[in-house]
Amino acid sequence: GAGVSQSPSNKVTEKGKDVELRCDPISGHTALYWYRQSLGQGLEFLIYFQGNSAPDKSGLPSDRFSAERTGGSVSTLTIQRTQQEDSAVYLCASSLGAGETGELFFGEGSRLTVL
Amino acid sequence: SQKIEQNSEALNIQEGKTATLTCNYTNYSPAYLQWYRQDPGRGPVFLLLIRENEKEKRKERLKVTFDTTLKQSLFHITASQPADSATYLCALDFRYALNFGKGTSLLVTP
Repeated sequence: GAGVSQSPSNKVTEKGKDVELRCDPISGHTALYWYRQSLGQGLEFLIYFQGNSAPDKSGLPSDRFSAERTGGSVSTLTIQRTQQEDSAVYLCASSLGAGETGELFFGEGSRLTVL
Repeated sequence: SQKIEQNSEALNIQEGKTATLTCNYTNYSPAYLQWYRQDPGRGPVFLLLIRENEKEKRKERLKVTFDTTLKQSLFHITASQPADSATYLCALDFRYALNFGKGTSLLVTP
C-alpha cells in the first residue's frame, strides 16, 4: 500500500486478555517504530526496529509488552494480560532508516480499550 | 531527564492572522527538530525538519526557527486558515527515534 497500515483500527478487550496489534510499513522502509498515545498525552516511544539489528526496546513499559518484526517488514505488538491503563491509541510509524531519523510516516493507529 | 514543553493551552486565532507555536526543551542537545500536524483520530503528519545549524526554514506558509542557545523552536503559520486547525507536535531526535512534545491545539476561526 501507499502508506503505513495498522490493524485493527479499534479493539475492545477485557482486562486480562492478550491482544495483538499489526503494522504494515511502507515498502522499502527499513526503520519501524511503535508509539503509544494516551488521552491528553503526548506520544510515548515504545520500540524501534532497524533492518535486521536487535530492536531498541527501551520504551516498553513492562514485560507484558513485546513486539516482533518478521522479514524486516510487518510488525506485531503484543500486550499480554491487558490492564485498564493499557487503553490508548497505539501508533506505528516507518522511515527510510538510512542514517539519521528522518521523516516518520505514521499509520492511523489502533485504538485499544480495556474494560 | 530530557523534557519537551509545548503550550498546553489551545491557541485561538482569527483567520488571516499569523499563528505562532512554541517548543522549548531542556537537558537536550538535539541534532535536529521536527514539526508534525495531528488531526483528531489520525496519525501525525510530518511538516518540517530543521537542523541544529539552521536558524530558519520555510515551506509555503510555514516557517520554523531553531535557537539552540535558548533551546527553543518557534513554528509560524502565516495567513492562517480554518483548515489549519489541528494539534501541532514538535519532536526531537532521540537515539534513532523521536521524542515528542504533548502538542499545542490550534483553532483558526473565520
